[in-house]
Formats: sequence, structure tokens, C-alpha cells
Amino acid sequence: QQPVQSPQAVILREGEDAVINCSSSKALYSVHWYRQKHGEAPVFLMILLKGGEQKGHEKISASFNEKKQQSSLYLTASQLSYSGTYFCGTEVGGNKLVFGAGTILRVKS
Amino acid sequence: DTGVSQNPRHKITKRGQNVTFRCDPISEHNRLYWYRQTLGQGPEFLTYFQNEAQLEKSRLLSDRFSAERPKGSFSTLEIQRTEQGDSAMYLCASSSGVTDYTEAFFGQGTRLTVV
Repeated sequence: QQPVQSPQAVILREGEDAVINCSSSKALYSVHWYRQKHGEAPVFLMILLKGGEQKGHEKISASFNEKKQQSSLYLTASQLSYSGTYFCGTEVGGNKLVFGAGTILRVKS
Repeated sequence: DTGVSQNPRHKITKRGQNVTFRCDPISEHNRLYWYRQTLGQGPEFLTYFQNEAQLEKSRLLSDRFSAERPKGSFSTLEIQRTEQGDSAMYLCASSSGVTDYTEAFFGQGTRLTVV
């Protein structure tokens, strides 16, 4: 039941855009996005809820297609600080998250 | 309050020994989670507390694992008779639980190496 993330890795130059996708085989209550830098804790980015509500950072946007059980994270005008591993966590009930394997993002100057 | 705190940050132990990790959540967060993360993977859910009550345990959590959260404050995760397969990063997270869907804040984890 682990969600599938794509791509597995992406390399960008500063200023370029990226999209990270997350797909689940199960109906979702919500999708949570986190970014983790090497040796650090995962940091919360955004929650997307059924019905379209979003809670998160101003500079990051995301979509949640409930019917397709998919979510996408949009990173625009990337900065060096965006580098890290991005995880989606899907909530299928029970107040716990099931995380994908992650997407490694590297932004080069 | 500086966030979720975990101790120790690193632990090396011999196979067969017992280890205990501590997590101090953000003050007044009533929900506390334990996850395990191995290299190249996302965090895997282990168990979850609402205040002092342990509400859910993953099937991944064998009988050698036990977690407590006395008085609904800090939590401990104990692994008995450690095995090499227990080597991983153990992450703790807390959330306010005001609504069903609130962000969880993670600690920096305890990296366990079983030799």
C-alpha cells in the first residue's frame, strides 16, 4: 500500500521548475508532503485534504486528484535550498501516514 | 520550545543487547508517532499514541519492540534482544491533533547500528 513516487530523482538548475508525483492504489483521506535533507528530520511542506483544502507554505503548490488517488507537488523557480528528498505520505485512515520511497531533488547553480 | 527532541542521536549496540530511545514531543502535542527509516526509503509507521494511550501498532512491530508514553508527555521506545535488521533511523513525530489532519513535526531521529 506504499504510494509510488515519480520521478525517483531529478536534477535542476536554479530557476527551473519541477513536478513530483505521488500515486496510491487506495482511496486517500489526505496527502502530506515533506522534505528531508541529509542527516536531518523530515520537514513539513503541505497537507492536501479531500474537498480541496490545502495547508502549507506559500512558495510551494500542490494538487490532489481524489478520483485518481494522485497528488503532485509543484516547485517553481527552484533555489539551491530546495535540494533534498521529497516524500509524500498518504493517510488511508487511523491517523498514520504511509510514505513513498522519496524523490531526490538536486538543484545546481 | 525548540521542536521534537530525541535522545540519543546515535546508538551502537551489540546484537542481543537491549536499547531504549527517548522522544520529547512539542509541548501540548497530544499525538506522538514512532517511525523507522532505512537508507533510501521513506519513514515506516511503527506506533501511535493519543495522550498516554497507545492506539495503534504496526505489524512491523515485533514482540521485541515496546513503546510507552507515561502521563502523555515524553515517550520511550525499547528494543529487546536487538538484531542486525533493527539497524535503522528511528524517528519520532508529534502533532496537535486538533483536527484529524494536522501536520506532524519530526525529530532528528536516533540512528541505531547493531553490530
